[in-house]
This record gives sequence, structure tokens and C-alpha cells, in this order.
Amino acid sequence: AQSVTQLGSHVSVSEGALVLLRCNYSSSVPPYLFWYVQYPNQGLQLLLKYTSAATLVKGINGFEAEFKKSETSFHLTKPSAHMSDAAEYFCAVRNAGNMLTFGGGTRLMVKP
Amino acid sequence: EAGVTQFPSHSVIEKGQTVTLRCDPISGHDNLYWYRRVMGKEIKFLLHFVKESKQDESGMPNNRFLAERTGGTYSTLKVQPAELEDSGVYFCASSQRTGVTEAFFGQGTRLTVV
Repeated sequence: AQSVTQLGSHVSVSEGALVLLRCNYSSSVPPYLFWYVQYPNQGLQLLLKYTSAATLVKGINGFEAEFKKSETSFHLTKPSAHMSDAAEYFCAVRNAGNMLTFGGGTRLMVKP
Repeated sequence: EAGVTQFPSHSVIEKGQTVTLRCDPISGHDNLYWYRRVMGKEIKFLLHFVKESKQDESGMPNNRFLAERTGGTYSTLKVQPAELEDSGVYFCASSQRTGVTEAFFGQGTRLTVV
């Protein structure tokens, strides 16, 4: 069975600093991986997805993630944080039954 | 194009009462999923419809939960009778077809059982 671990339930960065949100997965088959974001009082929005094409995936709002099979990781990065990036971020892996298995979420706080 | 819509956005009920949550998927999306996030925990899968049929309901916690999708359009999730541990945020998602297509999520229904 697939599983996802997000290291750090809370991450705080200064505006303009690098954002790094960590995600490690466990999967017995080549995984399909996703990052979702939830802004306050909104639903989950897809940031980006990895579907076995390019290992570096670019998403919306300047975010990108790199799939590293050897490390079973799919970390999310953004070179320069904006105040508007403050939200909760979820890493997920798609299971054989097409449902998603989520990590515990990481709440990103951006300090001015 | 309208997104996935969930009603109500918030619900507070007493233990033992019944609550029905509704999800309207994006028009034309055959796949509909229910997920739940209990406070402090990860988002967990509840069940999956393909049109009006239950494809997978392995995540349903117990028989107090009943999901339906009449006519393959909107879906309801009924909790009867509600218990304190049912509190959480219930998300609905839909996708156009099975596979690695994006699942679009609704805003969620925050259920509080007191």
C-alpha cells in the first residue's frame, strides 16, 4: 500500500526566502504524485502533479517539485516566498484504485 | 464552469442526530470521491463513485455512514446517528475519467458534533 510522509507540520519562512516542503512516499509501483494547496476557507487546489514524464515538475504560482526515485521524495520548492503563499500544503500519491493517499499536511507561514 | 460545490459549508449537530452532506460535482465528471479530515489527522479516503455505482467504499468508517449518488449526478453522505468522533471536514472531489486526470475538490463541509 502506498503512503506519504510530510516532514514538518509547520514551516515558517521569511518573505523572499526559499520555500522547501518535504514529502517522502512509499509505493510498490511507479507512483503518480501530487501537491495540493488549501488557502484559508477554500478547497484543495492542485499545484502540480508527477505522472512519470519529466522528473522536474513545474506548477502554478512559481512552485515546482522534483521526483527523486532513489530518495523516494517529491519535495516542493519555490525560490522566493510571497505572503500570499501562506496556506496548508498536501502531498498525495494515487493508489491503484484511483483514490489519493495524503500526507499529514504542512502549514506554511510567511513572515514579513 | 462551476466547480465542485458542497453544502452546507458548516454544520453543528448534537450527538445522535442525523446530518446529510451534499456534493455537486463538475458537470460531466463520472468519478466522485468523498474524503474526510479529522482534526489533526491526514485527509482520508472514504469512497469512490463511478457514475451512480460505488466503485470502492473501503474507507467508510462504519455503517452509520451512507453515501448515495442518484442518477450519477450529485451525491449525498448521510451520517446517522452522528457521534463525536465524526467531527471533521468532509471533502468531495470529482474527475472526468479514471486515471491520472486531476481531481477537483470542493471547499469541504465542516461537521461539528457536540
